[in-house]
Amino acid sequence: RKEVEQDPGPFNVPEGATVAFNCTYSNSASQSFFWYRQDCRKEPKLLMSVYSSGNEDGRFTAQLNRASQYISLLIRDSKLSDSATYLCVVSIYNQGGKLIFGQGTELSVKP
Amino acid sequence: ETGVTQTPRHLVMGMTNKKSLKCEQHLGHNAMYWYKQSAKKPLELMFVYNFKEQTENNSVPSRFSPECPNSSHLFLHLHTLQPEDSALYLCASSQAGDHVADTQYFGPGTRLTVL
Repeated sequence: RKEVEQDPGPFNVPEGATVAFNCTYSNSASQSFFWYRQDCRKEPKLLMSVYSSGNEDGRFTAQLNRASQYISLLIRDSKLSDSATYLCVVSIYNQGGKLIFGQGTELSVKP
Repeated sequence: ETGVTQTPRHLVMGMTNKKSLKCEQHLGHNAMYWYKQSAKKPLELMFVYNFKEQTENNSVPSRFSPECPNSSHLFLHLHTLQPEDSALYLCASSQAGDHVADTQYFGPGTRLTVL
């Protein structure tokens, strides 16, 4: 089983749509959770951290369910500029900042 | 824009060549990382350096040799690579590698092709 598994994608949605990405992780010692965004042929950049209580940043909402070992990212009112690959990332307790990346879910927002 | 720079951005090398990738961070961080990103695969952590000391070697073949002369610079020395080593090599830095919640900042990567 992959340590971090994401929806395979790609997701093709029209502008203005709401899209949700799902991610599961296998290591119960996972402590910190993130969503990174990677544009085509560019480096990954932090989109948002994910907190136990859930958190929102504008059109983006992240949720964490520790019991189910599940993380989600919701994008509302999607824009053309949201087109990218979204990476689910976890770090493991006591492994010195080591990040485990999912394979990514590609999003393409069309006019 | 980025506080982490990498050179070269593109590299084509033969299997018998020796080359080096360079990474520099201008963020005052103490931890630096090398990752490999192959097509359709997740990012794979290769090496971690904390305060210039290597703290992680993720079972990387010896044909990849890292070097960290100070907290701001990280090198990846390459020799006798294989075609399957062709990938995007990303450098990242964070405040300190012992804090699991530290954000990692990535450089733009070196796209390596081994012929």
